[in-house]
Amino acid sequence: AQSVTQLGSHVSVSEGALVLLRCNYSSSVPPYLFWYVQYPNQGLQLLLKYTSAATLVKGINGFEAEFKKSETSFHLTKPSAHMSDAAEYFCAVSDQTGANNLFFGTGTRLTVIP
Amino acid sequence: GAVVSQHPSWVICKSGTSVKIECRSLDFQATTMFWYRQFPKQSLMLMATSNEGSKATYEQGVEKDKFLINHASLTLSTLTVTSAHPEDSSFYICSASSLGRASLEQFFGPGTRLTVL
Repeated sequence: AQSVTQLGSHVSVSEGALVLLRCNYSSSVPPYLFWYVQYPNQGLQLLLKYTSAATLVKGINGFEAEFKKSETSFHLTKPSAHMSDAAEYFCAVSDQTGANNLFFGTGTRLTVIP
Repeated sequence: GAVVSQHPSWVICKSGTSVKIECRSLDFQATTMFWYRQFPKQSLMLMATSNEGSKATYEQGVEKDKFLINHASLTLSTLTVTSAHPEDSSFYICSASSLGRASLEQFFGPGTRLTVL
């Protein structure tokens, strides 16, 4: 069974400050991990994904995430928050058989304070 | 590339009527399509998975007779909410994946907001 836990349903940061969104996973098999962003009334856009290659994954819009097996974590970071980063962020896990069976976390709403 | 569209983007209907939502992969052939439901301020919940030409596989607790899914071609899947009720009001999102293209990734549509009066 696979699952994802996102700690903190709401995160607020000042513009220019570090963004850290937490994600811990549970998986009985080697996982693939994803971060998606959702803007209001829109679908999901892939930020980045981990597929068992490099543990530090760089994505779009300056985001990156590091896979830490020992901590079962895949936290999302960005050095400097921008107003346009305000959105809902979802962490998801799947097994390595393919794109099927994505399990999403409950999401973290990021607010950027000017 | 890898664009998925949904139509309509929003729909309002009366209780008891049926509503059809279309999901199209515009620039690739989608061997598998997924339908999700998202209630306000909650995460996406997978409703069903459909492979082209075969019956959809529904997640536990999802009524297959109420949420009819058709995946008749490699670029189109439809979700029909039959006899809709106010509790069916939600944001419905489809996604598509392809064995021949970035098989590790699902490409998401923009969603359809359904409001049942």
